[in-house]
Amino acid sequence: NAGVTQTPKFRVLKTGQSMTLLCAQDMNHEYMYWYRQDPGMGLRLIHYSVGEGTTAKGEVPDGYNVSRLKKQNFLLGLESAAPSQTSVYFCASSFRTGISGANVLTFGAGSRLTVL
Amino acid sequence: KQEVTQIPAALSVPEGENLVLNCSFTDSAIYNLQWFRQDPGKGLTSLLLIQSSQREQTSGRLNASLDKSSGRSTLYIAASQPGDSATYLCAVPNTNAGKSTFGDGTTLTVKP
Repeated sequence: NAGVTQTPKFRVLKTGQSMTLLCAQDMNHEYMYWYRQDPGMGLRLIHYSVGEGTTAKGEVPDGYNVSRLKKQNFLLGLESAAPSQTSVYFCASSFRTGISGANVLTFGAGSRLTVL
Repeated sequence: KQEVTQIPAALSVPEGENLVLNCSFTDSAIYNLQWFRQDPGKGLTSLLLIQSSQREQTSGRLNASLDKSSGRSTLYIAASQPGDSATYLCAVPNTNAGKSTFGDGTTLTVKP
């Protein structure tokens, strides 16, 4: 039972390059989230999805795009990376709110991105 | 907008001490509250989830309580060990699509 898997774990980009972070979950969760974690800023929600084919903006969506073509995968894209996007990115998933025990968030191990 | 505060930001205790970590939230209309542990350079591991209808939840040496009316939760760690050293975060899901607001965490150091 893998839970939530993020790839890659580490990446270094130059300013202006693009890349995609992949999140995969095998728990049949409806909801998936992308957070970034920065020193002194805590965890901030970038984008989230409440089901296959749906996405929505979180607190800090600018400069990122997402897609949820399959229920188990949630992709985070950076079209033109900037140094301000240097961060640790976490993916999380949960069942939909309203189900008993819902919204138990399960996190991936994180992806550390450095933009030079 | 939900705001979550954790005090203290850092705590250092000798091994064997019992300790309490605090989490406060501004909007009491919550489904549940979740406590996480994060080791340096790692992801978040769920420790305990308290449903809004519950007052407390226990797992081993950990006990979490919830008082919705006062907007507070506490995480009690009994007989602390050096292996408990980590950052502890609380998270409250918002009513809209289950998005969670996180506190900034309490960094715990347990000295041998």
